[in-house]
Amino acid sequence: DADVTQTPRNRITKTGKRIMLECSQTKGHDRMYWYRQDPGLGLRLIYYSFDVKDINKGEISDGYSVSRQAQAKFSLSLESAIPNQTALYFCATSDWGEVEQFFGPGTRLTVL
Amino acid sequence: SQQGEEDPQALSIQEGENATMNCSYKTSINNLQWYRQNSGRGLVHLILIRSNEREKHSGRLRVTLDTSKKSSSLLITASRAADTASYFCATARANSKLTFGKGITLSVRP
Repeated sequence: DADVTQTPRNRITKTGKRIMLECSQTKGHDRMYWYRQDPGLGLRLIYYSFDVKDINKGEISDGYSVSRQAQAKFSLSLESAIPNQTALYFCATSDWGEVEQFFGPGTRLTVL
Repeated sequence: SQQGEEDPQALSIQEGENATMNCSYKTSINNLQWYRQNSGRGLVHLILIRSNEREKHSGRLRVTLDTSKKSSSLLITASRAADTASYFCATARANSKLTFGKGITLSVRP
């Protein structure tokens, strides 16, 4: 969905490096999410934010941190990347209530 | 831990046939959603069914929900090669977070 963009789209880095993945949205949604996808495991929630002042841990937050710089921007950081953080990372947004989520195109991260 | 579990894990059918995919879950939900993912790309929302609904249609898609059995099915009628993708069910509880299953890989042969 072009309304949700992620940068970079691909990144190769080395163990121990700090990495930031960025997400921007033009949908005007308050809620934003970060997921990782591993083959055969589906999507797992890392962090989510229901508004600019609200940050919550998801299912697998260890080794990650986030920053909600504005309603439209939500960044995911890997403070010290390790090889098992190699995965496809998705940002998503949603409106209030129990509604659908809109996904970005994903960032493929490889940690060597 | 996964809330939704899809079945089968992989499905291969001929173009024009119907594809049926199932999802089971463990705890009470507010709604259940189905998403499609083309290879390596972002997920796209297909359809949402609320816990007080039993059946919903959208174009060639039909989804059912049986809360007593904690299960849902997604039917794609008259499949096309372009339907080849991975399909995920996701359950939403009161806090609006989604919990995704592991996905079903659908291959539609021309």
